[in-house]
Amino acid sequence: AQKVTQAQTEISVVEKEDVTLDCVYETRDTTYYLFWYKQPPSGELVFLIRRNSFDEQNEISGRYSWNFQKSTSSFNFTITASQVVDSAVYFCALSELVRVASYGKLTFGQGTILTVHP
Amino acid sequence: SQTIHQWPATLVQPVGSPLSLECTVEGTSNPNLYWYRQAAGRGLQLLFYSVGIGQISSEVPQNLSASRPQDRQFILSSKKLLLSDSGFYLCAWSRGRENSPLHFGNGTRLTVT
Repeated sequence: AQKVTQAQTEISVVEKEDVTLDCVYETRDTTYYLFWYKQPPSGELVFLIRRNSFDEQNEISGRYSWNFQKSTSSFNFTITASQVVDSAVYFCALSELVRVASYGKLTFGQGTILTVHP
Repeated sequence: SQTIHQWPATLVQPVGSPLSLECTVEGTSNPNLYWYRQAAGRGLQLLFYSVGIGQISSEVPQNLSASRPQDRQFILSSKKLLLSDSGFYLCAWSRGRENSPLHFGNGTRLTVT
């Protein structure tokens, strides 16, 4: 069975600090996708990034960066120079690649509540 | 561009009453559709998914059912709500192909009293 663990339940930082959100996953599949979603106080989940298991290149998008390490089954997310607007719950998720509909059958972690103080 | 609409935004229902939550997607055809539930503001659990009209797959046994009467319409229902049905319900869609992420609606916060 698939499992995603976000060990950090809550993180609190001061604006402009860098913060890393950890994500560790378990799967028996050799092909899979990893995702990060952001859930601001308004409730909707916002897609941030998708990474397939064959692509271990790290990715940077503005202040966001992701470190995928297959050897340790981790897909960590770093926010550089955090801002108050980054305050949200962040979810890491894992999707198996078996059937068409499986692309959306995500296994979510429990989420990390990030609070950025001014 | 594609948009997903979900309503109502909030709902308070007594135990034993029926439920109907509706979700529609615009700007795409033949999407995969999903209902997720988020309990106590944390992790999400997949309840149902659909790859086409009339095709529903259930992930967990429960007091709820889903239907897809039209290509871009997905409905979550219950005949008699339980207290344990309270939660935040999210509809989502994705393209039925590789590399397609989920796009979520704004959610419905259901409180069963």
